[in-house]
Amino acid sequence: AQSVSQHNHHVILSEAASLELGCNYSYGGTVNLFWYVQYPGQHLQLLLKYFSGDPLVKGIKGFEAEFIKSKFSFNLRKPSVQWSDTAEYFCAVKSHSSASKIIFGSGTRLSIRP
Amino acid sequence: DVKVTQSSRYLVKRTGEKVFLECVQDMDHENMFWYRQDPGLGLRLIYFSYDVKMKEKGDIPEGYSVSREKKERFSLILESASTNQTSMYLCASSLFASGSSPGTGELFFGEGSRLTVL
Repeated sequence: AQSVSQHNHHVILSEAASLELGCNYSYGGTVNLFWYVQYPGQHLQLLLKYFSGDPLVKGIKGFEAEFIKSKFSFNLRKPSVQWSDTAEYFCAVKSHSSASKIIFGSGTRLSIRP
Repeated sequence: DVKVTQSSRYLVKRTGEKVFLECVQDMDHENMFWYRQDPGLGLRLIYFSYDVKMKEKGDIPEGYSVSREKKERFSLILESASTNQTSMYLCASSLFASGSSPGTGELFFGEGSRLTVL
């Protein structure tokens, strides 16, 4: 069965530190990959997405993610975090064989110390 | 902007009560979804619908049913609420994406409905 793993449940960083959040999925076919973010008290929103082409994807607010097919990974990165990046981050996968179904990881809570 | 509206932000119900959660989207999206969000478990798919009157089970459909009589509206029903259904419920919508034409698949979420079952 399709699944998504986010191994970091809670990450605490100081401002200006670099960030990398891990995401691995288990599915052998062609996939679409997403990172969603949920800021405190707000609804989930799309941070970035990968469909095809360049495996390095740029998103909003300076975030980027790299799709490494051989490792079934789609890690999220940011070179220098800000206090406003405090949020919960979710990785998600949609397979091309499923018209609609999107599977989410368990989420990573990011806390930034000012 | 796409707007997904969930009718109730907070509900408190008693065990055994029937609960309706309503969701409306205004972007003519074919797909609609119900997830529940629990700490440490992320989002788990309960049901989704890719067309009016069409529905498919997600990963945790037990204890839930859904209704999609109109394209813009997708309802989640708890026939007999139980305490283990206390959770945050999220509705989402997206454009249709077929296997040969993946489309975007991007989900647009509502604000969520926090249900407490006593």
